[in-house]
Amino acid sequence: QKEVEQDPGPLSVPEGAIVSLNCTYSNSAFQYFMWYRQYSRKGPELLMYTYSSGNKEDGRFTAQVDKSSKYISLFIRDSQPSDSATYLCAMRAGNTGKLIFGQGTTLQVKP
Amino acid sequence: KAGVTQTPRYLIKTRGQQVTLSCSPISGHRSVSWYQQTPGQGLQFLFEYFSETQRNKGNFPGRFSGRQFSNSRSEMNVSTLELGDSALYLCASRQGAETEAFFGQGTRLTVV
Repeated sequence: QKEVEQDPGPLSVPEGAIVSLNCTYSNSAFQYFMWYRQYSRKGPELLMYTYSSGNKEDGRFTAQVDKSSKYISLFIRDSQPSDSATYLCAMRAGNTGKLIFGQGTTLQVKP
Repeated sequence: KAGVTQTPRYLIKTRGQQVTLSCSPISGHRSVSWYQQTPGQGLQFLFEYFSETQRNKGNFPGRFSGRQFSNSRSEMNVSTLELGDSALYLCASRQGAETEAFFGQGTRLTVV
């Protein structure tokens, strides 16, 4: 079993929809949680960075962390065709630079 | 502020050869990590360098090595290339221990 599980999709939604992306994990030592967006042939771009449990909002994006359930989510409001990409969750324990990634979810937002 | 810069962007090598990839972190960032991304395995951690010292190492064979220079620039070397080493190699830098990591555009290595 992988340390971080993420449904690879693909997920297809109409423009304007609310998108929910999720990851589950097994290592209770994870403290830092990230969401990255990756376009084809590009490097991952950091979207959200959170520490421990709670919510964080940035524009159309909201990240939620529930450490008791070992579950993290990313919500995208008013989705746009430009949001079509692969979304990767990542997490790490302590101050190490070692990130553990989910497999990534491919999202397509249709006009 | 310039982002993480990786060179070259694309590389084609033959089995058995060796290759060196370069990464220049964001100015002021002292930590550099390397990752391998493949369709089957996703993103996997190779190693991390901080102030010229390797701090963490992933589960890769000894053919994969790296180093960091005093200006925080880092290089990754793969010796005796195998077909399975074909991947996107990504470098990430961060400023300090509790800060987020920013990725470069990657070097796409193809081994033929």
